[in-house]
Amino acid sequence: EPEVTQTPSHQVTQMGQEVILRCVPISNHLYFYWYRQILGQKVEFLVSFYNNEISEKSEIFDDQFSVERPDGSNFTLKIRSTKLEDSAMYFCASTVGEHPQHFGDGTRLSIL
Amino acid sequence: AQSVTQLGSHVSVSEGALVLLRCNYSSSVPPYLFWYVQYPNQGLQLLLKYTSAATLVKGINGFEAEFKKSETSFHLTKPSAHMSDAAEYFCAVSVKGSARQLTFGSGTQLTVLP
Repeated sequence: EPEVTQTPSHQVTQMGQEVILRCVPISNHLYFYWYRQILGQKVEFLVSFYNNEISEKSEIFDDQFSVERPDGSNFTLKIRSTKLEDSAMYFCASTVGEHPQHFGDGTRLSIL
Repeated sequence: AQSVTQLGSHVSVSEGALVLLRCNYSSSVPPYLFWYVQYPNQGLQLLLKYTSAATLVKGINGFEAEFKKSETSFHLTKPSAHMSDAAEYFCAVSVKGSARQLTFGSGTQLTVLP
């Protein structure tokens, strides 16, 4: 069964550094998402992306965040200047459209 | 805006016993509802979904959930728990159109006792 693939599985970064989290959605999917889960808290929506532009974003997704689909397969989340509170598990998801979202296994981001 | 409340952050059942995980939702428009399961160090796997067809929805691994509009509930059940069911379970809601963002509950950790 096709899967959403996320790399790396664990990223450790110094506070203030830029980090890029990478995702390869399922190949025929059209809608792409990023969610995050701070340890012990609920999964929170960050942003959705369709037709090469952001379709929805949450209050969490401020100017330090950006997303990009640089080629036909990758979908990236960039955090420009990381803060301690950005430490979380970040999940990428994708869907064809009127179907449930498929999630990757996540990237654990640790900010030191 | 929509929201989800999962009652009970931890639920323990004996192997072979009924599993009942509670989910109540709030939505200003007819919702789509989902249950996802998360095993340790893995992503979220879809168990089942409600998208305004049958109110009793059957999912994978013997789980099912019933949409009750009058109670704004979507509780997850399984008649007989198995050790492999131990995981964290998340209820989620979206407005019509699964392409819309999911709003998750805080999760219920299910422990299955031998």
